[in-house]
Amino acid sequence: DGGITQSPKYLFRKEGQNVTLSCEQNLNHDAMYWYRQDPGQGLRLIYYSQIVNDFQKGDIAEGYSVSREKKESFPLTVTSAQKNPTAFYLCASNPGPHSEAFFGQGTRLTVV
Amino acid sequence: GQQLNQSPQSMFIQEGEDVSMNCTSSSIFNTWLWYKQEPGEGPVLLIALYKAGELTSNGRLTAQFGITRKDSFLNISASIPSDVGIYFCAGQWGNKLVFGAGTILRVKS
Repeated sequence: DGGITQSPKYLFRKEGQNVTLSCEQNLNHDAMYWYRQDPGQGLRLIYYSQIVNDFQKGDIAEGYSVSREKKESFPLTVTSAQKNPTAFYLCASNPGPHSEAFFGQGTRLTVV
Repeated sequence: GQQLNQSPQSMFIQEGEDVSMNCTSSSIFNTWLWYKQEPGEGPVLLIALYKAGELTSNGRLTAQFGITRKDSFLNISASIPSDVGIYFCAGQWGNKLVFGAGTILRVKS
């Protein structure tokens, strides 16, 4: 089945550690996105990528990094510089401008 | 950056009632999308709007793309208990997709 897969669903991290969240899509979409969602809040854009080997910062990129080496993959690294990383992280993709975007199931990251 | 104002923030309605929520922005968008999110899950696309003035239905859901391209609304008719969740609007300009803060819908049966 075509879709977007995020893994893991739950992730625990010790303070000071980097951690990488996986996002894979087999929809052949050019654009991919990472959003952060805090309890009771909307979705805030962290990074997005329009094409392989290219990505742009969103509204809250500090403390995060991404790569886009393959069309189907857009991993997000939460670095130790992110002071409040506990949140629900959502990955999305769409074919390009002026099109529908679809989401993965999310990864809940907790700092312990 | 671009901001979306979504209202109301929450609604607690009686089963069978109609629901209306809307999003406004100071920026123009060329696509409006409406999503529903259930606890612990990713948002699911409900309706996509691509042209100013477009009115689109999906079952009991109806959404419109405002003429000014700066607003959109979503109506749900005859609400049922499974309509509960958080509804988000999203505006797209180029490849950038921005979201409203969401409307929490609760339904009393």
